[in-house]
Amino acid sequence: TQLLEQSPQFLSIQEGENLTVYCNSSSVFSSLQWYRQEPGEGPVLLVTVVTGGEVKKLKRLTFQFGDARKDSSLHITAAQPGDTGLYLCAGDPNDYKLSFGAGTTVTVRA
Amino acid sequence: GAGVSQSPSNKVTEKGKDVELRCDPISGHTALYWYRQRLGQGLEFLIYFQGNSAPDKSGLPSDRFSAERTGESVSTLTIQRTQQEDSAVYLCASSLVSGQGREQYFGPGTRLTVT
Repeated sequence: TQLLEQSPQFLSIQEGENLTVYCNSSSVFSSLQWYRQEPGEGPVLLVTVVTGGEVKKLKRLTFQFGDARKDSSLHITAAQPGDTGLYLCAGDPNDYKLSFGAGTTVTVRA
Repeated sequence: GAGVSQSPSNKVTEKGKDVELRCDPISGHTALYWYRQRLGQGLEFLIYFQGNSAPDKSGLPSDRFSAERTGESVSTLTIQRTQQEDSAVYLCASSLVSGQGREQYFGPGTRLTVT
């Protein structure tokens, strides 16, 4: 059983469209992180959210942390082929041991 | 500067053989983590090293798995008597310090295939 549930598992969209990826849990986290992983590489950190209700923007990516600090979302505006990858959310229920979701595979078609 | 490196990048072994995977963390990073990633799944925590403290081995799936780290440098993950279910990508990560929201820097992983 995953501590963090991500949805959808797969997402395929056309360039220019918007998309949202969700990360949900019944547990409260002190912070949540979002990573992107490309084939043959390790995950790369995109953002860390720490305050309930927090919204962070990274160019066309918008990250939101739920008020209760149990869920998060990643929204991509006007997706580009370079956004293709596996998006992983991760939370730290304790001080150092990250718990990862299963990931959402995003494919942006040109 | 150099990132986290792992070797080998790919390893194919026969069932029952032992394998050793290596991780070189970023210089100065006191924390080091090993994860396993099965196809289509997220990362599964295996073990955590922090400086000279006793490692957290709570994620190791069986006593066939062990890991060592010398000081704040290289770490090796050893899998004895490999089984087919051990096939996965093994990822290593390091970070400056442990604590809330600290960034982990990942290596490219070692893809292990047990035939």
